[in-house]
Amino acid sequence: QSAVTQPASVSGSPGQSITISCSGTSSDIGGSDLVSWYQQHPGKAPKLLIFEGTKRPSGVSNRFSGSISDNTASLTISGLQAEDEADYYCCSFAGTDTLWVFGGGTKLTVL
Amino acid sequence: QVQLRESGPGLVRPSETLSLTCTVSGVSININDYYWGWVRQPPGKGLEWIGNVFHSGTSFYNPSLKSRGSMSADTSNNQFSLRLTSVTAADTAVYFCARKVNDAFDVWGQGIMVTVSS
Repeated sequence: QSAVTQPASVSGSPGQSITISCSGTSSDIGGSDLVSWYQQHPGKAPKLLIFEGTKRPSGVSNRFSGSISDNTASLTISGLQAEDEADYYCCSFAGTDTLWVFGGGTKLTVL
Repeated sequence: QVQLRESGPGLVRPSETLSLTCTVSGVSININDYYWGWVRQPPGKGLEWIGNVFHSGTSFYNPSLKSRGSMSADTSNNQFSLRLTSVTAADTAVYFCARKVNDAFDVWGQGIMVTVSS
């Protein structure tokens, strides 16, 4: 089964920018732009931040941006704030057999 | 305002069937733009896609479930459901229902904790 890989943790100081990667293959991320990103605070449901690789839903801060290059998707958070401390997950279309696969998640710590 | 709410038993015995329902308010599940999905999260672990269902009943599942999962849509009650058979402790998780549009899950329920234990 397809798997996409995220770093277990990243950290940054308030005001800085950080980037979380989501690495896959030509069978998933590299095969389409169908990557979404989610933010999850402890005990809460995930919240959609980015869809179709680069698009932001209405109401999501423009401090969140997404990109895709080859087989890797990335989420960049600029102007880090304390409230950004959370877990972040990517999700990619992985072909007609596997369909949808989540990355393992990245814990963001705001120092 | 679109809202989703999961309901069902919080405890299921091993080898039995887990059944959950997601009640949708604020939008009809009959709209062709949407799929409706289930995602689970074992304690302390990451998210796992379970499956999606269309209002017609067309459904797609994570192959890792090995055919144990089935989903259905009840348009008269604006609900959709998940059944997972032959459960084991590995199925213990928070189960979320969510709306899928533009190939992403844009609205989520609050989640329901289901424990598999005798």
